[in-house]
Amino acid sequence: GAVVSQHPSRVICKSGTSVKIECRSLDFQATTMFWYRQFPKQSLMLMATSNEGSKATYEQGVEKDKFLINHASLTLSTLTVTSAHPEDSSFYICSASPGWNFDYGYTFGSGTRLTVV
Amino acid sequence: AQSVTQLGSHVSVSEGALVLLRCNYSSSVPPYLFWYVQYPNQGLQLLLKYTTGATLVKGINGFEAEFKKSETSFHLTKPSAHMSDAAEYFCAVSENNFNKFYFGSGTKLNVKP
Repeated sequence: GAVVSQHPSRVICKSGTSVKIECRSLDFQATTMFWYRQFPKQSLMLMATSNEGSKATYEQGVEKDKFLINHASLTLSTLTVTSAHPEDSSFYICSASPGWNFDYGYTFGSGTRLTVV
Repeated sequence: AQSVTQLGSHVSVSEGALVLLRCNYSSSVPPYLFWYVQYPNQGLQLLLKYTTGATLVKGINGFEAEFKKSETSFHLTKPSAHMSDAAEYFCAVSENNFNKFYFGSGTKLNVKP
């Protein structure tokens, strides 16, 4: 149980275009999903917390208009990188929580490697 | 503010040898501590966690970690390394609301035959 699917695993896009990354909880309802970014040889940094049916909460320094997060259902959250630039190239990973059932811990997706050329 | 430091971005051990991956944290509140493992091209998998209670925590695949408040450490150990343990390991700390994780920079474990 507690499987999180993230798609795509790799994407290359041209500078100025937008890219959408999906995060799905396959066998549980995720009231909360988290989006992280990892630059090479650095830690995973929390970008935002999304709660189903409400606006995402962004961490300080993360541009809301650039990284659009939608959590329209209990099993799907999407991260859209708008007008991507080479500096947005990074590893993006989501995690999902069923709520306060901490037996699952926090389940992570397999990540998306974004390369902007 | 919370932060995590993992000493050693790469650790190499021989098969059958002790594995020791170091993690130190800073936290202004009692921390919740985690170790995750990431195999190539896969997501993060929870190895073990400390929330409250016994400070020696046992996880999956024979790993364990001990919370030492006086040393602000949560080092991960395994008595005997196996080839399948080769992966990247992340230490993380969370505030008690579980809503925010701070990760270390990760340690890649190499196991030599």
